[in-house]
Amino acid sequence: QQQVKQSPQSLIVQKGGISIINCAYENTAFDYFPWYQQFPGKGPALLIAIRPDVSEKKEGRFTISFNKSAKQFSLHIMDSQPGDSATYFCAAIQTGANNLFFGTGTRLTVIP
Amino acid sequence: DSGVTQTPKHLITATGQRVTLRCSPRSGDLSVYWYQQSLDQGLQFLIQYYNGEERAKGNILERFSAQQFPDLHSELNLSSLELGDSALYFCASSVTGTSQRTDTQYFGPGTRLTVL
Repeated sequence: QQQVKQSPQSLIVQKGGISIINCAYENTAFDYFPWYQQFPGKGPALLIAIRPDVSEKKEGRFTISFNKSAKQFSLHIMDSQPGDSATYFCAAIQTGANNLFFGTGTRLTVIP
Repeated sequence: DSGVTQTPKHLITATGQRVTLRCSPRSGDLSVYWYQQSLDQGLQFLIQYYNGEERAKGNILERFSAQQFPDLHSELNLSSLELGDSALYFCASSVTGTSQRTDTQYFGPGTRLTVL
């Protein structure tokens, strides 16, 4: 059973556009939601993370929007650049637990 | 560069064989996590060690085992390999991994295992 559902599976965006990736979860015990970026041949790298006590977190061009009541969160990449082309994973974890539950990933391609 | 190192980068072996994957955590990190990334299952947690002791188990097969040594490096042992074990295996590390907080997990570059 997939604990974190992610969509879309792939996304193509023009340079300068906004990329939006959505995730949903069921387990209300989750209280930490990181996003990881993975380039081919590399391991996932933490991009940005949020806790459910805030509805939005912004770091540079990357913003997480969080809707606790809907149990959904999303990553927005503003002014998308070709260098953002990578696979993005949302994840969730419960404080006190030890393992991250990952979404299935979104392959983002930003075309010049 | 996350500071987590994994060897080897690639491993090709035959069914029925046994392999060992090695991971060195970031300096100062006490917890090591192992994840398997396959096309059909995505990224799945296998097991966690904290300061030499097993802390949590996920979807790890009985044919797989791990350990963390006094110098904090960890090894993942995969035996009686099957075609379906072909995947990327990632190691991650974090500062503590205790119940009091959620530490960022930093991932290594992975080991690509191919079972023929």
